[in-house]
Amino acid sequence: GDSVTQMEGPVTLSEEAFLTINCTYTATGYPSLFWYVQYPGEGLQLLLKATKADDKGSNKGFEATYRKETTSFHLEKGSVQVSDSAVYFCALKQGSGNQFYFGTGTSLTVIP
Amino acid sequence: DGGITQSPKYLFRKEGQNVTLSCEQNLNHDAMYWYRQDPGQGLRLIYYSQIVNDFQKGDIAEGYSVSREKKESFPLTVTSAQKNPTAFYLCASSVSRNSNQPQHFGDGTRLSIL
Repeated sequence: GDSVTQMEGPVTLSEEAFLTINCTYTATGYPSLFWYVQYPGEGLQLLLKATKADDKGSNKGFEATYRKETTSFHLEKGSVQVSDSAVYFCALKQGSGNQFYFGTGTSLTVIP
Repeated sequence: DGGITQSPKYLFRKEGQNVTLSCEQNLNHDAMYWYRQDPGQGLRLIYYSQIVNDFQKGDIAEGYSVSREKKESFPLTVTSAQKNPTAFYLCASSVSRNSNQPQHFGDGTRLSIL
């Protein structure tokens, strides 16, 4: 079945460091891929998405590229800020499917 | 602005009591979902609904019930049969089944046992 695997956290970085959070997926066909962010005590917010191979999603300095050959959708940011501290979730959905599949989340803490 | 409203933000349950969590959306989405999130863990699907008057069990439906009488509303009842209900509950919606559009989430309800 479909599934998403994320790198385990927690991840702690200094401000202005480079961020990579790995995400790989297992799916038949051509799913859409998403990154969500969750701040403490809140729901999930869509950060970026990509709907086909080689698409690059980007938002607020974050980027992720849909790599079908490696079944990956790694999240990157060139220079993190303290305000980026949150939990990040990778997710996928098949176009004709009922469900969304989420990774287990990666907690990021950025220290000044 | 369109969005998903969950209420209450905090809820306390006594032993043997059923409690209902509200979820309302004004996004005109067909599909709605309930997830449970435990500390430091990912999301687990409780129930989902693709259309009014129809819903399906997710991975952890035991001890929970739902209804979908209106497109905008998808309340979740945590019954007394759910022995470990303390968790953060998230409601979500999406355009429809046959879509690659993302889910939108509410701000969650935190349920605790008295």
